[in-house]
Amino acid sequence: GIQVEQSPPDLILQEGANSTLRCNFSDSVNNLQWFHQNPWGQLINLFYIPSGTKQNGRLSATTVATERYSLLYISSSQTTDSGVYFCAGMEYGNKLVFGAGTILRVKS
Amino acid sequence: EADIYQTPRYLVIGTGKKITLECSQTMGHDKMYWYQQDPGMELHLIHYSYGVNSTEKGDLSSESTVSRIRTEHFPLTLESARPSHTSQYLCASSEFGGITEAFFGQGTRLTVV
Repeated sequence: GIQVEQSPPDLILQEGANSTLRCNFSDSVNNLQWFHQNPWGQLINLFYIPSGTKQNGRLSATTVATERYSLLYISSSQTTDSGVYFCAGMEYGNKLVFGAGTILRVKS
Repeated sequence: EADIYQTPRYLVIGTGKKITLECSQTMGHDKMYWYQQDPGMELHLIHYSYGVNSTEKGDLSSESTVSRIRTEHFPLTLESARPSHTSQYLCASSEFGGITEAFFGQGTRLTVV
């Protein structure tokens, strides 16, 4: 089955709007991370969040490990937030497995 | 800031050529990974390593090979490049246990003509 599942697959926002991206993960996966892939293809670390809540500027993330999900919040979105957001986790501590990503487009 | 580097960033090469994509990290991480990604698509794990002299095939079958002779170095080789190998290749590293946060290099965009 799918080990890491992200939703929504696509999201279009007006600049200034808030959004929530979701990541569900299976029992075999832990130690969640969130990444942003920029237009040049590089994966930028946003959060390493096995559990709990973290905040970094306009972005915050929450992982509820017991319920196998993580949320990424983007507030007051800007055009530079556009790109693909991936969540990933360690499968049985061995492999880093990724979700399919959420494509975010922020319009000015 | 992550200390993991990939070279070259871009490579255009003819069919049949042998190529090696370089990946080096200075964080002392035991685990290293290679992913293949087509534009706008999912990341697919093609190789990973637990440490020196350890290499494993990933979830996506690949004609490439890897080696891990030194902890900091994890090169990927294609013996005979084909147009179907055109893609972006991303290298990453992480600790083996404890805090397993992974960090990525800038990627190599390969075009085989």
